[in-house]
Amino acid sequence: NAGVTQTPKFRILKIGQSMTLQCTQDMNHNYMYWYRQDPGMGLKLIYYSVGAGITDKGEVPNGYNVSRSTTEDFPLRLELAAPSQTSVYFCASRHFTGAGNTIYFGEGSWLTVV
Amino acid sequence: KNEVEQSPQNLTAQEGEFITINCSYSVGISALHWLQQHPGGGIVSLFMLSSGKKKHGRLIATINIQEKHSSLHITASHPRDSAVYICAVGGGSQGNLIFGKGTKLSVKP
Repeated sequence: NAGVTQTPKFRILKIGQSMTLQCTQDMNHNYMYWYRQDPGMGLKLIYYSVGAGITDKGEVPNGYNVSRSTTEDFPLRLELAAPSQTSVYFCASRHFTGAGNTIYFGEGSWLTVV
Repeated sequence: KNEVEQSPQNLTAQEGEFITINCSYSVGISALHWLQQHPGGGIVSLFMLSSGKKKHGRLIATINIQEKHSSLHITASHPRDSAVYICAVGGGSQGNLIFGKGTKLSVKP
């Protein structure tokens, strides 16, 4: 199993550009997440999805958009990139049934906005 | 005040030492997770627990629900244990996780 796969690993964007971070999981998990990790801070939730066709905002959604057209894919779109979006982004998934389950992370995407 | 507090922030140990990392939280939870993040960034789940104690190899995790506190212990530490250890708690209907800032562990040979 590949687990959670996210691409690209590294990207440099100019201010105002847009891009999509791709995330795919092959574990048939219902829940998927996008987090950002800034130096010295805990992971912050950007958006999450509880199943195909359903998405919801997390703690820091401004400047981002997501979609969940299939169980497997959960892309994160950055519109009009700003320096404040320079961060490390992690996609994650889990099979959540209310009791809590192991969460699986992608390898991370390092994004720099200049 | 952060909802999830970890201590210490940084920890340096000699190979072979017994290590303890602490996590305190202020919210009601359904489960607590311990995660490991190696240099290079990948995050892996070590434990998920809602009560008692779990052991995997040289790693032991405990939780005290009444005191809202968990500890991660590493016995006979090794340089390959050098990483950032992250505590996260989940609760509510969606179980969304709240993360601590992490404890950076460096084990010297």
